[in-house]
Amino acid sequence: GENVEQHPSTLSVQEGDSAVIKCTYSDSASNYFPWYKQELGKRPQLIIDIRSNVGEKKDQRIAVTLNKTAKHFSLHITETQPEDSAVYFCAARTGTYKYIFGTGTRLKVLA
Amino acid sequence: EPEVTQTPSHQVTQMGQEVILRCVPISNHLYFYWYRQILGQKVEFLVSFYNNEISEKSEIFDDQFSVERPDGSNFTLKIRSTKLEDSAMYFCASSEGWEQPQHFGDGTRLSIL
Repeated sequence: GENVEQHPSTLSVQEGDSAVIKCTYSDSASNYFPWYKQELGKRPQLIIDIRSNVGEKKDQRIAVTLNKTAKHFSLHITETQPEDSAVYFCAARTGTYKYIFGTGTRLKVLA
Repeated sequence: EPEVTQTPSHQVTQMGQEVILRCVPISNHLYFYWYRQILGQKVEFLVSFYNNEISEKSEIFDDQFSVERPDGSNFTLKIRSTKLEDSAMYFCASSEGWEQPQHFGDGTRLSIL
């Protein structure tokens, strides 16, 4: 069935370093890939997204890359700050009206 | 900035009872969604809804669940004969179009006793 794998499950980085989170999807018909940041007890908040006709998208310190052939997409956060600490979820919209989320990455930025 | 609003923020219900979770999507949005998140786990898709009918549903969304848009503003999730394992955070989301990003509400924490 449709699945999204996300790695790593936890990630600790020093403030100012970069963080990379990777996801792999199974449905080749998936065409939209959002990333969400979720702080404890809060709603998921969209931080960046990418569509299947684009290979890379950047918004200030955040970037996402997509490799359709390998069915991989990755989130890159540069110059990390303590306020970047949260759980990050990738998601893939399947060929139908359904979104599949990854299992989440708990990012800790150490001051 | 317009937001998706959900009520109640916390619902406590006895096992076997029915609950209705309510959502008010952003006013010009046409696509609506319900998700479930068990504590500490990933967000799970339940159902998408467009033009007054279900567009897609997951394996979780069985006969125990139903959705409705009773008027021009509300979007509800009904869970019948609740079970302990239905305890979770339930998020509503909406999007302007199928190609547009989803906006999530703050969620309803459902606790089944």
